Amino acid sequence: AQSVTQLDSQVPVFEEAPVELRCNYSSSVSVYLFWYVQYPNQGLQLLLKYLSGSTLVKGINGFEAEFNKSQTSFHLRKPSVHISDTAEYFCAVSVQRKLIWGLGTSLAVNP
Amino acid sequence: DGGITQSPKYLFRKEGQNVTLSCEQNLNHDAMYWYRQDPGQGLRLIYYSQIVNDFQKGDIAEGYSVSREKKESFPLTVTSAQKNPTAFYLCASSIGTSGVGQPQHFGDGTRLSIL
Repeated sequence: AQSVTQLDSQVPVFEEAPVELRCNYSSSVSVYLFWYVQYPNQGLQLLLKYLSGSTLVKGINGFEAEFNKSQTSFHLRKPSVHISDTAEYFCAVSVQRKLIWGLGTSLAVNP
Repeated sequence: DGGITQSPKYLFRKEGQNVTLSCEQNLNHDAMYWYRQDPGQGLRLIYYSQIVNDFQKGDIAEGYSVSREKKESFPLTVTSAQKNPTAFYLCASSIGTSGVGQPQHFGDGTRLSIL
């Protein structure tokens, strides 16, 4: 069965520091991968997606992610975070007609 | 601007009552989804619909019902059979009927609480 594991439930970081949010998936078929962000009491917003092609994917708000097929990972990175990046981040994999979701990583950016 | 509208933003229900959450989209998307979100549990799929007049159960359909009479509308009814309905409910949509590789677009959610 397909699954998504977000390895850290909480990540505290200081403003302007780099951050990596880790995501591993398991799938026996071709995968399509997504990262979403959720601000408090709001819906989810698509940050970036990997469908095919280059394994380094750039998204909105300065985020990027790297697809690593051999390690079945899709880690999200940002070289310098802002206070406004404080939010919940979700990794998801597309399987047939649905998305399989990780449990989320809470990013807290401190001044 | 195109998007997904969920209403109301906050909803209160008395014990034993059914309540319906509204979801409307003007993105001309074929597929629509309902999720339930609880703290620490991520998103769990309740129901989804790939086309008008057709829908499938997700992972936690018990105590919920849906209809898809129009392409733009996918209301969710939380019935009295749902024993723990307090949660944040999210509606989403995506292009096309296959859903493979298509990102989902989300509304701003409805927070349901029991009085």
